[in-house]
Amino acid sequence: QQQVKQSPQSLIVQKGGISIINCAYENTAFDYFPWYQQFPGKGPALLIAIRPDVSEKKEGRFTISFNKSAKQFSLHIMDSQPGDSATYFCAASKTNAGKSTFGDGTTLTVKP
Amino acid sequence: GAVVSQHPSWVICKSGTSVKIECRSLDFQATTMFWYRQFPKQSLMLMATSNEGSKATYEQGVEKDKFLINHASLTLSTLTVTSAHPEDSSFYICSAKRDIPYEQYFGPGTRLTVT
Repeated sequence: QQQVKQSPQSLIVQKGGISIINCAYENTAFDYFPWYQQFPGKGPALLIAIRPDVSEKKEGRFTISFNKSAKQFSLHIMDSQPGDSATYFCAASKTNAGKSTFGDGTTLTVKP
Repeated sequence: GAVVSQHPSWVICKSGTSVKIECRSLDFQATTMFWYRQFPKQSLMLMATSNEGSKATYEQGVEKDKFLINHASLTLSTLTVTSAHPEDSSFYICSAKRDIPYEQYFGPGTRLTVT
């Protein structure tokens, strides 16, 4: 049973456009929802994270939107740039329970 | 963000030998560290969770005698791949959890090739 479902699997966006990646979770006990960015041959880098007490968090061009009732959260990348081309993973965890559950990843390609 | 280092970044070893990978949290104490394996174009597969001073908890299907994990201090965890075989070739990534504020950071990964 996959607890975190991520979509789409791949995404192509023109430079300057908005990239949107979605995740849905099942376990209502999850209380920490990060997004990671991974470039080929590198480890994932923490991009931005949100807790369920807020509906939106913005850091620069990256925004997380969180819908607790729908058990969904999404990553929005505004003014997408070719340098944003990478694989993005969403994750969910319970703060005091240790391990995170990851989505399958989304490969983003931003065309110049 | 916090920094997690991994060493070596890549290693080539002969079949039957053992390889040790180190993971360090450089600017925070990590009571919990995780070891992941990642195959090309796939998500992160959790291998084990290690807590400082106690035995690691392995995920189902991961051979604990083959993948030895030691969490020696609050800043260091090691993964030893024993009697490595070509099928163990993979990208291994460690991660460290910071409690305050709660965040999880990843190392840069280690590319293991077993010949």
